[in-house]
Amino acid sequence: NAGVMQNPRHLVRRRGQEARLRCSPMKGHSHVYWYRQLPEEGLKFMVYLQKENIIDESGMPKERFSAEFPKEGPSILRIQQVVRGDSAAYFCASSPTENQPQHFGDGTRLSIL
Amino acid sequence: GNSVTQMEGPVTLSEEAFLTINCTYTATGYPSLFWYVQYPGEGLQLLLKATKADDKGSNKGFEATYRKETTSFHLEKGSVQVSDSAVYFCALSEGGGYQKVTFGTGTKLQVIP
Repeated sequence: NAGVMQNPRHLVRRRGQEARLRCSPMKGHSHVYWYRQLPEEGLKFMVYLQKENIIDESGMPKERFSAEFPKEGPSILRIQQVVRGDSAAYFCASSPTENQPQHFGDGTRLSIL
Repeated sequence: GNSVTQMEGPVTLSEEAFLTINCTYTATGYPSLFWYVQYPGEGLQLLLKATKADDKGSNKGFEATYRKETTSFHLEKGSVQVSDSAVYFCALSEGGGYQKVTFGTGTKLQVIP
């Protein structure tokens, strides 16, 4: 039973480019959460999605960041016009229902040159 | 708002030593409390949880007790092993809805033979 799959594991972008991070939740999980971990810090909540719906995006920057979880395919976290401060590890988690513990992927480490 | 404070690391112990990692929290309601572990290059794994006051969560020799009177959830293990070397995150989520998890900053544990 595969866990939460994130890809790529490492992503390098130059300032001004776009970054796309993908997350495939565990089988049977329809709730997806994205977190950002800055160096030497804990994880910060960004956004919570169910299939085709954004439920809570209160932790996501208002500009340049967007997330989706389409009916088919993985959840995507998209960062436009990346800046150095976007360098971080981005973790995706999923759960079968909203009240059950989240299972985490191994993260995507984004580096901005 | 909610917050989690845990002791700074790194914590360095010899194998078979006793481990305590302190964690205190601030929450408006009655949260569920968690400890997650992150091994190098990997995502977070749920280690243990407690959902109400005086509950004790335990797993793999680790345990933590939900202390409402002191708003604490300290992690303990009687005899650590080299394989326990990792970063440990204390976290909480408010009940009654989806689990928007608030994490502490993490404590790095190094166990030396």
